[in-house]
Amino acid sequence: TQLLEQSPQFLSIQEGENLTVYCNSSSVFSSLQWYRQEPGEGPVLLVTVVTGGEVKKLKRLTFQFGDARKDSSLHITAAQPGDTGLYLCAGVSAGNNRKLIWGLGTSLAVNP
Amino acid sequence: EPEVTQTPSHQVTQMGQEVILRCVPISNHLYFYWYRQILGQKVEFLVSFYNNEISEKSEIFDDQFSVERPDGSNFTLKIRSTKLEDSAMYFCASQTGVWNQPQHFGDGTRLSIL
Repeated sequence: TQLLEQSPQFLSIQEGENLTVYCNSSSVFSSLQWYRQEPGEGPVLLVTVVTGGEVKKLKRLTFQFGDARKDSSLHITAAQPGDTGLYLCAGVSAGNNRKLIWGLGTSLAVNP
Repeated sequence: EPEVTQTPSHQVTQMGQEVILRCVPISNHLYFYWYRQILGQKVEFLVSFYNNEISEKSEIFDDQFSVERPDGSNFTLKIRSTKLEDSAMYFCASQTGVWNQPQHFGDGTRLSIL
């Protein structure tokens, strides 16, 4: 059974601080996606990483896919209160299926 | 931007009753999915659907569950005889036919079984 371990589960920081969220697995993924989910809504895609070692930037968010495609990180620089929310990683296993394997999520609170 | 829509947003049903959750995927997408999220737990894959048939299903997706694409636009999940443990958020997602393109999610249906 493939698992994605996401950490930390909860994070409360002050505005302006930096943070990193991690997703780790012992399995290889063909791609990994990061989503953000607001209460009462579905997950909204932030980014997809496909190539081992790939780095993608989305304003103050930096996403990295591990060289072996088993892990990924999300780094937020100078966090803002508007970054508050639930961040989820989800991977597509390296096989013929397309289902997403999900992490538990990181609930981020950025305090003004 | 096209989006996946789900109805109803909240469904309350007595245990043992049948429930149908509805989804309208993005119109040019070819792959369709149902996931569920029990409160406090990970999002779990239920089933994927392509070319009018199930392409993969999880252990959760037992004989009580079925999916259908009755009219080329709607994609439904039916639970025949609901149990208390079926209470969860149910998310529909759709995806183009291109490998590694992301899945796009609806806002979910909150299913509460009494």
